[in-house]
Amino acid sequence: QSVLMQPPSVSAAPGQRVIISCSGSSSNIGNHYVAWYQQVPGTAPKLLIYDNNKRPSGIPDRFSGSKSGTSATLVITGLQTGDEADYYCETWDTSLSTGGIFGTGTKVTVL
Amino acid sequence: QVQLQESGPGLVKPSQTLSLTCTVSGISINSGGYYWSWLRQLPGKGPEWIGYFYYSGSTYYSPSLKSRASISADKSKNQFSLRLTSVTAADTAVYYCASPLRWTNWYFDLWGRGTLVTVSS
Repeated sequence: QSVLMQPPSVSAAPGQRVIISCSGSSSNIGNHYVAWYQQVPGTAPKLLIYDNNKRPSGIPDRFSGSKSGTSATLVITGLQTGDEADYYCETWDTSLSTGGIFGTGTKVTVL
Repeated sequence: QVQLQESGPGLVKPSQTLSLTCTVSGISINSGGYYWSWLRQLPGKGPEWIGYFYYSGSTYYSPSLKSRASISADKSKNQFSLRLTSVTAADTAVYYCASPLRWTNWYFDLWGRGTLVTVSS
């Protein structure tokens, strides 16, 4: 069981916006940066966001991240059919003394 | 273009040692700033970080797997490898080799395609 909790699923129509939350604690999100990944089934995860709100080269600005307290949020605007995938948050955890802690994952469905 | 490719047995017997190799192309694993990592993903779960190897020879492991995992490198072949001892069915997963953004430890932007390892007799 992960220490980072995400809603199992969210859905929206094409062109709409989805918001994915990642809830943690002071030992992880509260004191460390957060990353977000997109994983299409059968493929490796793809880095979307790092340092809470930075996008790697090539990631469109439809994807944005933020953090407040012990929670982080990924927002996808202008939803496209190609965005249908699983999304994971990731951070370091001081109590566990390790990074690479991933959330429980959220399935985004494009209606 | 940097590419990573996992290789190794897809089936391992319980109590035996899982051994996987990652071949890196497009960049030398002897380059500073890259933490050559292994992760795995159990069926239906999120990724789980296992550990990394740094070109200086240092390694770091997840506390939960530290007693069973070891990562080493063969710089002449531009490869790094994972060994996981005393495996059980709970170690059945897709195993990925990956590398974070340069000069970071945890933002994995380069991934192999992954290889499924099943632990079964």
